[in-house]
Amino acid sequence: AQSVTQLGSHVSVSEGALVLLRCNYSSSVPPYLFWYVQYPNQGLQLLLKYTSAATLVKGINGFEAEFKKSETSFHLTKPSAHMSDAAEYFCAVSVPIQGAQKLVFGQGTRLTINP
Amino acid sequence: DVKVTQSSRYLVKRTGEKVFLECVQDMDHENMFWYRQDPGLGLRLIYFSYDVKMKEKGDIPEGYSVSREKKERFSLILESASTNQTSMYLCASSLRGNSGANVLTFGAGSRLTVL
Repeated sequence: AQSVTQLGSHVSVSEGALVLLRCNYSSSVPPYLFWYVQYPNQGLQLLLKYTSAATLVKGINGFEAEFKKSETSFHLTKPSAHMSDAAEYFCAVSVPIQGAQKLVFGQGTRLTINP
Repeated sequence: DVKVTQSSRYLVKRTGEKVFLECVQDMDHENMFWYRQDPGLGLRLIYFSYDVKMKEKGDIPEGYSVSREKKERFSLILESASTNQTSMYLCASSLRGNSGANVLTFGAGSRLTVL
């Protein structure tokens, strides 16, 4: 079964430091992978998605993720953290279901930014 | 932009009450989903629908039912609410088909507390 695992339920970095949020996937077929962000009291917003066109995917707000098949990973990075990046981040894999595709999510990683 | 609107942001209900959570999307999407979000568990799929009057069970359908009488509206029903259904409920929609690249667009969520 296709799944994703996010390593670290909480990550804390200083403002201006590198952000690295880890996601590993399990899939028997080439996966479609997504990162979503959830700000407090809001729904999920798409950050970026991997659809096999390019291994390095750029998203919104300066985030990017690199698909590494050999490591079955899709880690999310941002070179310099900003206070506004504090949120919960979810990695997800797309799985076919009856007439549609569903997203299977990881457990989430809460990112805290220290001033 | 696709808008997915969940009419009730916060609800407090008593054990045994019948609860309706409403979701409306305005971009003519065929697929609609109900997820439940709990800390440490990420998001889990309750039910989805790929067409009017069509519904399919997700990963955790027990204790829930759904209704899709119109294309733009997808309702989640708790026939007899229980305390273990206290959670955040997220509605999402996407275009028709089983392309893994289809993006799910989420509503802001409905936080339900069952006393």
